[in-house]
Amino acid sequence: AQSVSQHNHHVILSEAASLELGCNYSYGGTVNLFWYVQYPGQHLQLLLKYFSGDPLVKGIKGFEAEFIKSKFSFNLRKPSVQWSDTAEYFCAVRTLSNTGKLIFGQGTTLQVKP
Amino acid sequence: EAGVTQSPTHLIKTRGQQATLRCSPISGHTSVYWYQQALGLGLQFLLWYDEGEERNRGNFPPRFSGRQFPNYSSELNVNALELEDSALYLCASSLRARQEEKLFFGSGTQLSVL
Repeated sequence: AQSVSQHNHHVILSEAASLELGCNYSYGGTVNLFWYVQYPGQHLQLLLKYFSGDPLVKGIKGFEAEFIKSKFSFNLRKPSVQWSDTAEYFCAVRTLSNTGKLIFGQGTTLQVKP
Repeated sequence: EAGVTQSPTHLIKTRGQQATLRCSPISGHTSVYWYQQALGLGLQFLLWYDEGEERNRGNFPPRFSGRQFPNYSSELNVNALELEDSALYLCASSLRARQEEKLFFGSGTQLSVL
């Protein structure tokens, strides 16, 4: 069965530190990859997505993610975090064989200290 | 434009009872998805409805069921409630049942089973 694994459950950083959140998935076929974010008190919202083409995708608020097919990974990065990036981050995968079923990782809580 | 709305916000039930959760998608969206977010487990896919039909379901027992109405709103029913059903239930909608369509999430219904 397909699964998504996020390596870090809770990350604490100081402002201006660099961020990398790991995400690995288990599926050998074609996938669509997503990062969603949930800011405190707000709905889950899409941060960025990868379907095809350039494996380095850029999202909102300076976030980017790199798809490495050989490693089944889609890590999220930001060069310099801000206090407002404090949120929960979810990696998600959708396989072409299971249309509609978006499989989420367990989530990573990011706390940025001012 | 109104987002995805869910009701009620909170629901308290006792073991063995039935719970009904409601979701109204964004106007024009035909696909509705239900997810369970239990503490520490991330988002678990429950059900996907599109154009009034159940298209896919996750690994949940049959006492989790639902339907989609002609106006594309949806209900999730949970029968014979168990303590471990306590969770945040999120509804999401998308414009069409296509791979690249992003999901828009509601705020969720917090179900507590006592």
